Amino acid sequence: DQQVKQNSPSLSVQEGRISILNCDYTNSMFDYFLWYKKYPAEGPTFLISISSIKDKNEDGRFTVFLNKSAKHLSLHIVPSQPGDSAVYFCAASAGSGTYKYIFGTGTRLKVLA
Amino acid sequence: GAVVSQHPSWVICKSGTSVKIECRSLDFQATTMFWYRQFPKQSLMLMATSNEGSKATYEQGVEKDKFLINHASLTLSTLTVTSAHPEDSSFYICSARRDRGRNEQFFGPGTRLTVL
Repeated sequence: DQQVKQNSPSLSVQEGRISILNCDYTNSMFDYFLWYKKYPAEGPTFLISISSIKDKNEDGRFTVFLNKSAKHLSLHIVPSQPGDSAVYFCAASAGSGTYKYIFGTGTRLKVLA
Repeated sequence: GAVVSQHPSWVICKSGTSVKIECRSLDFQATTMFWYRQFPKQSLMLMATSNEGSKATYEQGVEKDKFLINHASLTLSTLTVTSAHPEDSSFYICSARRDRGRNEQFFGPGTRLTVL
């Protein structure tokens, strides 16, 4: 049972435009969410996170939105740059205790120059 | 800060042999380390949680006798794939949690295992 889903396996966006990556989850116990960027044959690189007490967190070009009632979060990248091309994973955690991350299936973003 | 290394970065071995992968936190003490595997074009699947000085906690479906985890110090965890078979070929990634009370993991660069 996939508790964290990214329904779009791939996304292409023109350079300078907005990239929106979506993530849905099913477990209502999740209270901390993260986005990671990953290149092939490398480990994930942390981008941005959000706690369930917030509905938005912004860091430079990256903004994460959380809609708890819909169990949905999204990552906005504005403006998109060719160097943003990678696979993006969302991850969720049930917080205190184990601090385990459950990863989504990933979305491959391609930013076209 | 918060650098995690893995060694080796890639390994090729014969079927039936055992392979050890090391995960080190280079500039911080990791209270907890995690081991993931990733199949091509798939998600990162958590295999086990490793706490320093205690037994690892394995996720459902992961054979603890197959994937031996040792977390002997606050900066080193090892994953040993015992009697490896071709289906164990995968990309193995570790992560380390730095601070107690903070939900923040730092990932290593991964190890590509190919079993012939």
